[in-house]
Amino acid sequence: GQNIDQPTEMTATEGAIVQINCTYQTSGFNGLFWYQQHAGEAPTFLSYNVLDGLEEKGRFSSFLSRSKGYSYLLLKELQMKDSASYLCAVRDSNYQLIWGAGTKLIIKP
Amino acid sequence: ETGVTQTPRHLVMGMTNKKSLKCEQHLGHNAMYWYKQSAKKPLELMFVYNFKEQTENNSVPSRFSPECPNSSHLFLHLHTLQPEDSALYLCASSQKVGEGYEQYFGPGTRLTVT
Repeated sequence: GQNIDQPTEMTATEGAIVQINCTYQTSGFNGLFWYQQHAGEAPTFLSYNVLDGLEEKGRFSSFLSRSKGYSYLLLKELQMKDSASYLCAVRDSNYQLIWGAGTKLIIKP
Repeated sequence: ETGVTQTPRHLVMGMTNKKSLKCEQHLGHNAMYWYKQSAKKPLELMFVYNFKEQTENNSVPSRFSPECPNSSHLFLHLHTLQPEDSALYLCASSQKVGEGYEQYFGPGTRLTVT
């Protein structure tokens, strides 16, 4: 079966750095997405990786290793508004998105 | 504001009711999706429409019936639902189905079946 694993919850301090991991086993691979979802709101697109390596976008970076079936989302200079759930999703060989259950990130002052 | 709107935002219905959820996208996209989001569970893809044609139905019970009259509008018709169908129903759109096209989500309809 297809599976996406990510931690259920993480806590970090304002101003710090946090890394949210995602491992996947899917039938084929056509890219990996990270989305942010604030409570009661729509998921919003953060990043897309299809080749190995690091993609940087401001305070957020996303890394992919296809051989290891592994990705992480790195958030720097954490702000209180970064408190949200972070969803990892992989596009499989049928171009369907397989989603993880999300990681709830709690930022403390 | 993502360019995808959903109505209603909240819905409470009995098991014998019939209701419809509406989604509209203002992004000029050609693919639209219905997802179910339950607490602490992964997003479940329900239906996919690409250029108004249904391309995916992930074993969804027949009490959920989608309709896509054009590329901008998507409906989910509900009838004789069960309490376990209570969830957040999210609509999304993308330029088309395929590699690299991120999906834009609406705010969702919070459905409670009593």
